[in-house]
Amino acid sequence: DQQVKQNSPSLSVQEGRISILNCDYTNSMFDYFLWYKKYPAEGPTFLISISSIKDKNEDGRFTVFLNKSAKHLSLHIVPSQPGDSAVYFCAATLNTGTASKLTFGTGTRLQVTL
Amino acid sequence: GAVVSQHPSWVICKSGTSVKIECRSLDFQATTMFWYRQFPKQSLMLMATSNEGSKATYEQGVEKDKFLINHASLTLSTLTVTSAHPEDSSFYICSAAQTSPNYGYTFGSGTRLTVV
Repeated sequence: DQQVKQNSPSLSVQEGRISILNCDYTNSMFDYFLWYKKYPAEGPTFLISISSIKDKNEDGRFTVFLNKSAKHLSLHIVPSQPGDSAVYFCAATLNTGTASKLTFGTGTRLQVTL
Repeated sequence: GAVVSQHPSWVICKSGTSVKIECRSLDFQATTMFWYRQFPKQSLMLMATSNEGSKATYEQGVEKDKFLINHASLTLSTLTVTSAHPEDSSFYICSAAQTSPNYGYTFGSGTRLTVV
């Protein structure tokens, strides 16, 4: 039962343009969401997160949007840079105040072309 | 920033032997650490949650006797793959959680295990 899904396994974007990565979840109990960037044979690197009480969070070139009613979140990267090429995972958890496990999506491979 | 060190980064072992992977939080205390496994081109699958001073909580389908987890201190958790077989070959990643989830869960660099 895949509770967090990223339906696009890959995405190609031209340098300077906007990259939009999507993520859907089924568990309505999730109330905290995170995006990670991952290179092969390395651990994920935290990018940005959002609490369910918000619908938008921005950090530099990265913006995450959350639509609770649709159980959908997206990561916008603008402008996209070649160094952004990697696999991006969304993850969801319960913000219980103590550490709770992350449920990861299936990942989207982003390629930023020149 | 928070740093999690994971060793070794890669290991090759013979079938039937055991392998220990260490995960250390270098500049913060982690009462909870997580162990994940990733097969090629797949998602990170949580294997177990490791709590300092108590038994680990394993996800459904993960053999606790095969994947031994020890979290003896606030900065160190170990995963031992016992009697490894080729099907255990995978990429193992640990993660340490800080008090505030706003800081994110910091991941180690992963361990590539190859069982021959």
